[in-house]
Formats: sequence, C-alpha cells, structure tokens
Amino acid sequence: DAGVIQSPRHEVTEMGQEVTLRCKPISGHDYLFWYRQTMMRGLELLIYFNNNVPIDDSGMPEDRFSAKMPNASFSTLKIQPSEPRDSAVYFCASSSVGTSSYNEQFFGPGTRLTVL
Amino acid sequence: EDKVVQSPLSLVVHEGDTVTLNCSYEVTNFRSLLWYKQEKKAPTFLFMLTSSGIEKKSGRLSSILDKKELFSILNITATQTGDSAVYLCAVGGSSNTGKLIFGQGTTLQVKP
Repeated sequence: DAGVIQSPRHEVTEMGQEVTLRCKPISGHDYLFWYRQTMMRGLELLIYFNNNVPIDDSGMPEDRFSAKMPNASFSTLKIQPSEPRDSAVYFCASSSVGTSSYNEQFFGPGTRLTVL
Repeated sequence: EDKVVQSPLSLVVHEGDTVTLNCSYEVTNFRSLLWYKQEKKAPTFLFMLTSSGIEKKSGRLSSILDKKELFSILNITATQTGDSAVYLCAVGGSSNTGKLIFGQGTTLQVKP
C-alpha cells in the first residue's frame, strides 16, 4: 500500500485566495483525520470522518475552513479566504478502528501551506 | 476536558546518554496510549500501549504505561544523533471513536 497520500506537498498563496488540500487515505481505513501543526500550537485536530461522515469538526478554527469526504478514498480541506495565520503544515491521517491496531493513525507526508 | 501533557518540552543530550520522556494524561474511557517520532516530516508510529506494567521494546527504545497513575515513559538508551526528533504522545479514548488526543511533544536534540 502506498500509505496516505496528500497533495500538494507545498503551497504558497496570497492572502484572500482559496486553498484546497487533498488526501487519499489508506485503502480499507474507515477513519480520516485532518490536523494542523504549527510551532506555537503543536498538532491540532481539525476534523475527522468515519465512513465518510464528519464526526467532530470542533477543531475547525472558523467558517473559512471546510472539509468534505465525498467517498472512501478522497477528502479535501478548503480554506476560503486564506489568511497569513493559516500558514502551517496540514496533515491527513487515517486509521481502522476495530482491528488489532485500533487507534493507530497513519500520517500522510503533509502539505506545507504558506499564505503571504 | 481530555488532555495529554508531555515533559520536558525540550531536551539536549550527548550521544551515548540515556533519556526518559514523560507523558501524563486525563482522558475519558482510556483505550490506548501511542508514541510517535517526528523528524522533519510526518509522525511515524513507535509504540502502542494498552496494559499497565508491560514494557514494549524496540532496539534502544522502550516504553511502559501506568494506568493507575495515568502516565507513560519513553526511554531511549545509548542515544544517537539520529534520535533527534520531536516525540509525540497521544491517547485514544472516548469509546472507540478513533480520535487521538496529542500532547505538545518533546523536542530531543542529541549532540555528537
């Protein structure tokens, strides 16, 4: 398996622009998580899905952030409009709860977002 | 509110030293505690602990969980420069939702 795939790996944009981050989870995993990581705040959970349904979006900072999971193999995190304080590394992770490795999350390589 | 606290936040040692990283937690319906290593990329899995007192070991790294006192330690013996990384502790709880609560991490720097 290729692991969790994220694209793009790097994104540089200007304030006010729309940014879309993409994630393909590991095949067969039924949980998908979006995290944001900064030096100041560490790793923060933004939202997670179970079987394509959003379960907890309490970590989404504000209405400018939205996430979708239209099917089991694809998810997007969108920021519109983007602001400089959104600059961070965004990780996608997936897991399969209920197996012997319950709760273990496998992380993608991350997208480094810079908003100028 | 569920929380995971790691200490120290940062640590500088020399090659060959032994280090102990700490993780304490307060989580509803504890299921598991996980350790991840993060270099300049995504976190990678090290250990998962579910039972008290049973040491997990992988090479120079070992970890143990105390569910009574609500903490775990990660030991690294004979440290090498390649051990330099951020070590993250995460706890899974709340009735099998799959969600992990992460600590803020311990940044370890191993000098030659």
